[in-house]
Amino acid sequence: QVHLEQSGAEVKKPGSSVRVSCKASGGSFSSSAISWVRQAPGQGLEWMGRIVPLFGKAFNAQKFQGRVAISADKSTATAYMELSGLKSEDTGVYYCASGQFPSYYMGVWGGGTPVTVSS
Amino acid sequence: DIVLTQSPGTLSLSPGDRATLSCRASQSISNNFLAWFQQIPGQAPRLLIYGASTRATGIPDRFSGSGSGTDFTLTISRLEPEDFAVYHCHQYGNLPLTFGGGTKVDIK
Repeated sequence: QVHLEQSGAEVKKPGSSVRVSCKASGGSFSSSAISWVRQAPGQGLEWMGRIVPLFGKAFNAQKFQGRVAISADKSTATAYMELSGLKSEDTGVYYCASGQFPSYYMGVWGGGTPVTVSS
Repeated sequence: DIVLTQSPGTLSLSPGDRATLSCRASQSISNNFLAWFQQIPGQAPRLLIYGASTRATGIPDRFSGSGSGTDFTLTISRLEPEDFAVYHCHQYGNLPLTFGGGTKVDIK
């Protein structure tokens, strides 16, 4: 069974960047798809993008184009999400979620990483 | 992008009641790749249903999913105390992936 361990809470200044990691154990990391999902306080879920480590190319949601970089390191079974140009509206909990080939539905979720953007 | 509209926004019911949650898509979802998640405050979402109607591992059979194309339903046959939560529908058939706005099931 896949388990996803995320990095700890972050507090950032507006205009800075944040990098969140998601380490997978169990299962096949390379052939899975790792998605990043954001949840602002009291709001719903928002998909940011995903990567299939086997192929290495990420697909990002249009809303985050130019600000988000999703990557994966197959050697350590770790995925990363870096968000730049932070604004107060980026405050929320960031989740990684894993899906297996072929349909990649998000069957396993990490515990979430709270990110606070405040001056 | 496929827009998912969930209704109602809030459902107020009692333990033992039947809950019926709706998710409508702005266009047909490829292969009926529609999932439902349960989220308890302070916790990560948990997968309940995928492929519109297949229960995920360990999910009780009081949860069932149905529908195809653009109209999908999650039914909880008899609400248990631990079922009072927020439910999200999600389509993974087309990029970009999208989520509905959520339905909160609270205690009447």
